[in-house]
Order: sequence, then structure tokens, then C-alpha cells
Amino acid sequence: EAGVTQFPSHSVIEKGQTVTLRCDPISGHDNLYWYRRVMGKEIKFLLHFVKESKQDESGMPNNRFLAERTGGTYSTLKVQPAELEDSGVYFCASSQQSAGGTDGYTFGSGTRLTVV
Amino acid sequence: AQSVTQLGSHVSVSEGALVLLRCNYSSSVPPYLFWYVQYPNQGLQLLLKYTSAATLVKGINGFEAEFKKSETSFHLTKPSAHMSDAAEYFCAVRPGGRALTFGSGTRLQVQP
Repeated sequence: EAGVTQFPSHSVIEKGQTVTLRCDPISGHDNLYWYRRVMGKEIKFLLHFVKESKQDESGMPNNRFLAERTGGTYSTLKVQPAELEDSGVYFCASSQQSAGGTDGYTFGSGTRLTVV
Repeated sequence: AQSVTQLGSHVSVSEGALVLLRCNYSSSVPPYLFWYVQYPNQGLQLLLKYTSAATLVKGINGFEAEFKKSETSFHLTKPSAHMSDAAEYFCAVRPGGRALTFGSGTRLQVQP
């Protein structure tokens, strides 16, 4: 089966610009997660979709970040306007079971975002 | 809140030596615990998981981990390191009803 696909793999933008990251989960996985790793620090949870609904968005840093999952398939994460501290690697993951389940997530290769 | 702590941000071993990567969790109830590996320029890959069945869990690539409730630990081991094991390893916990929470990661270096 195809894995979790993220694109672009790299993005370099200027401060104040807008960037949209995309994630295509494994087909049939209702659960989709966004994580971020900034400057070699911990991998931090951003939010969790169940189908098209936001189940948990407690990790979203501020209102410059907007995540959508229209139709419950792929998801986008928009950063507008981007700030220097938004630089990092953004990971997407998907799973069949809900957050209370025991399955591990399948992760994409990540999008490396650099804001200059 | 449940969390995990990984001791040692960098570990270096010789090829053929034992690999030991440490992870301690904080939880009032036995959690679900995971180890992930990230090879250069790749995504996170699940190595193994503990879900309250056997306390000794075997994973891919010869890795295993033992859940020790008395020590609140879930250390990752491999008897003999290969050069291909060089990567970053993450311990993670899955609090009930919530998403995965990761440790800070341990970068494993394997010397020839």
C-alpha cells in the first residue's frame, strides 16, 4: 500500500509569506495527525483529525496556523504569515484506530520549512 | 500529563557492541509505549510497541525493549550494532485517548 505522502519535501520562504503544506494519508485511515519538530527539539503534536473533523487541536501554536481536511482525505496546513520561529520539519501521520487505540502511526517523510 | 524522558541525546557505540537507549515514562497507569526510528532524510518508522501484553517486546531489525513497571522504564536494546543502525531514535507514549507524545530523541552513532 502507498504510505503517507507529504509535499513539498522542502520549502524556503521569506518571513511574512504564506506556505501551504499537504499530506495524503494512507487510504482508509480516518485519523490524521500533524506534528512539528523545531531546531532539533522534541517532536510536538499539533493536531488530530478524525475524518474531516478536528478531534484535538490543542497543539496548534497560534492563529497563524490553519489546518483543513476537506472531505476527510488529504489535509493541508497553512502558515500565514510565516515567522522565523516556524522553521522546522512538519510531519504528518495517519492511523486506522482512534487516539485511544494501540496501533502505531505511519509517518510521512516530512516537510522541511525554512523561513528566512 | 503523561510524558517520556530519553537519557542521552547522543550515544556512540562500536560496530558489534551492545546498543542501549534509555527511556523512562511518567504515568500513573501502564501506558502504551513505542519506539520509532528516523533514518536520514526519511520519516519516522515504528520499531516496536508495548500495549500491556508481554513485557519483552521484539521489534524490527533485531531491536527489543523491556517494559519495567517498577522502574517506569522502556529501554531499547540490540545485542550487536550494525553501521546501518545509525539514526535517531524516539521513545513515545500514548496517553489514554490522546495522540502520541514523543521524547526528545537519541542520536545513535556506530563507529567502525
